[in-house]
Parts: sequence; C-alpha cells; structure tokens
Amino acid sequence: SQQGEEDPQALSIQEGENATMNCSYKTSINNLQWYRQNSGRGLVHLILIRSNEREKHSGRLRVTLDTSKKSSSLLITASRAADTASYFCATDEAYNFNKFYFGSGTKLNVKP
Amino acid sequence: NAGVTQTPKFQVLKTGQSMTLQCAQDMNHEYMSWYRQDPGMGLRLIHYSVGAGITDQGEVPNGYNVSRSTTEDFPLRLLSAAPSQTSVYFCASSGAAGELFFGEGSRLTVL
Repeated sequence: SQQGEEDPQALSIQEGENATMNCSYKTSINNLQWYRQNSGRGLVHLILIRSNEREKHSGRLRVTLDTSKKSSSLLITASRAADTASYFCATDEAYNFNKFYFGSGTKLNVKP
Repeated sequence: NAGVTQTPKFQVLKTGQSMTLQCAQDMNHEYMSWYRQDPGMGLRLIHYSVGAGITDQGEVPNGYNVSRSTTEDFPLRLLSAAPSQTSVYFCASSGAAGELFFGEGSRLTVL
C-alpha cells in the first residue's frame, strides 16, 4: 500500500512555538497534500506540493518534499490554540493520480 | 455555496441491513470518492469516480457498491451491513487543481 506514515503520532506544544510533523510514503508520486481535521469534522485542504517542487509556503505553513527520501515535512510557525487539530498527508501514485492515500495523522495540541 | 453534502450524519444499523449514504457536490467536479476513517488508521479509499458512468475500486472496496449517474451525486451502498463496517465515512470531490473537498462525514454504527 502507498499509505503514508506521519511522525510523530502526537505533538503537544505551547502557543507561539513552531510545530513540525513528518510524512513518509512508499512509491513515486505526482503530488503530496496536507490536510487538517478538527475533532469530529471533515478534512480541510492546507497545501499541495508537486513532485518537481522542493518547498512551498502558504501563510504560516511551510512544506518541504524530498522525493529521494520519499518524505515530506509540514512546519507551522508561531502556532496558535486554533491550530489544535489532526494533520494528515495524502499522496497519489505516479501512474494513478486518481487514487489518494492518507496517513494515520499527527494529533497536534497547542496549549494557550 | 454548499460544497460537499453528506446524508445522513448518523445512522445505526443492524447486521445484515442495507443502506445508502448519499453524497452530493455543487462544484461541478468530475472526481468524487468515498473514504472510511477508523481510529488510528487514517482514511482509506473505498471507491472513486472520475466522471459520470465511471467508477473504480480503492483500497477497501469489499462490502460496498457505488454508481455515478450524474456529475453531482455519488451514493455509497452497503448491501448487507457488518459490524466491521462501523466507521466514519467521508465523501470528497476534486477539481482540476487536485485538492480534495470533504463533506462533514457520516457516522455509521452496525450492531
């Protein structure tokens, strides 16, 4: 299975600190995406990075992609209590961009 | 702008019963998909569709049927519910940009 693995499974930080979570996957991809899920809600898209990109920014989010290591990281800078949520990476397959595979997520708790 | 709408939000079934989870999107997306989310296992793809009349299997298709007669709707059918199908089900759609838009989920319990 292509399913990604996030690391760590849980992360607890103070407001204002940075949060870094990692994702590893198994096979070649076209793109990798990060999603946020607030408790009991649907997932919300955060950022998409294509296989030919190495780094992407969106507001307080910074995503890197290393295709040689089949890994990605999501950095949230200056975290806020409202960032408390679960974060998931999702990958497709190089030969089937219609199939998306999600990891088991990182549960982030930002303490005020 | 409703986005992706799933119904029902909650459902309790007895083993062997059948039901349909409804999913509708108003964004004119060609791609739609169904996932299940179990504790500690992330989301797993059940079935997906790249357009009306076209469906394909995901990672965990057994026990589920789908059809896509219109661009807007993508129902998921459980023909004979089993306790192993107790889960939270999410429908998602995607346009050309590739990002998935999710519904709020349907929580299914099979007794």
